[in-house]
Amino acid sequence: AQTVTQSQPEMSVQEAETVTLSCTYDTSESDYYLFWYKQPPSRQMILVIRQEAYKQQNATENRFSVNFQKAAKSFSLKISDSQLGDAAMYFCAYRSEYNFNKFYFGSGTKLNVKP
Amino acid sequence: DSGVTQTPKHLITATGQRVTLRCSPRSGDLSVYWYQQSLDQGLQFLIQYYNGEERAKGNILERFSAQQFPDLHSELNLSSLELGDSALYFCASSSSGQETQYFGPGTRLLVL
Repeated sequence: AQTVTQSQPEMSVQEAETVTLSCTYDTSESDYYLFWYKQPPSRQMILVIRQEAYKQQNATENRFSVNFQKAAKSFSLKISDSQLGDAAMYFCAYRSEYNFNKFYFGSGTKLNVKP
Repeated sequence: DSGVTQTPKHLITATGQRVTLRCSPRSGDLSVYWYQQSLDQGLQFLIQYYNGEERAKGNILERFSAQQFPDLHSELNLSSLELGDSALYFCASSSSGQETQYFGPGTRLLVL
């Protein structure tokens, strides 16, 4: 079964600085999708960014970008120019191209943003 | 706003009781997923329905059941509730062939 690992339970960043959240996954599949979701204190789950495994180009959404290393099975999230509103739990998720019935979530990284 | 709605937002009940959580997916989405998130925990996948049929089961207890109706809304039934069932229950939806799940705001269940 696929597993998703977030090895950093908690991280802190100074406002306006850059932070990188790590995610690794285990799979034998070649085609899949990866996601980062943000869960602020309201506990709403918000899609931040997604990456298709067949795309070599790293996805970018405004201040959020990923570093997708397929061979290393690594999918890190970089947040540039951190803002107070970025403080949240961040979950990495994996979805198979072949078995789209299940999402596999990591355990989450709590990001604190210091003013 | 993801377009996924869940009711009620909050629910307080007693041990041994039964509750029903409701989810309406985004317009056009055929798949509905249910997740449980206990305090300071990750998301646990419970069950998935696609166009009225059960497609996948995760860590769902036998005391829990779900269904998806012809209008595609879904209900999660939790019975013989225990203190440990207190959690945030999320519903998510996706369209056929669409790999992204969109989450509702969740139902916060407190069992006393």
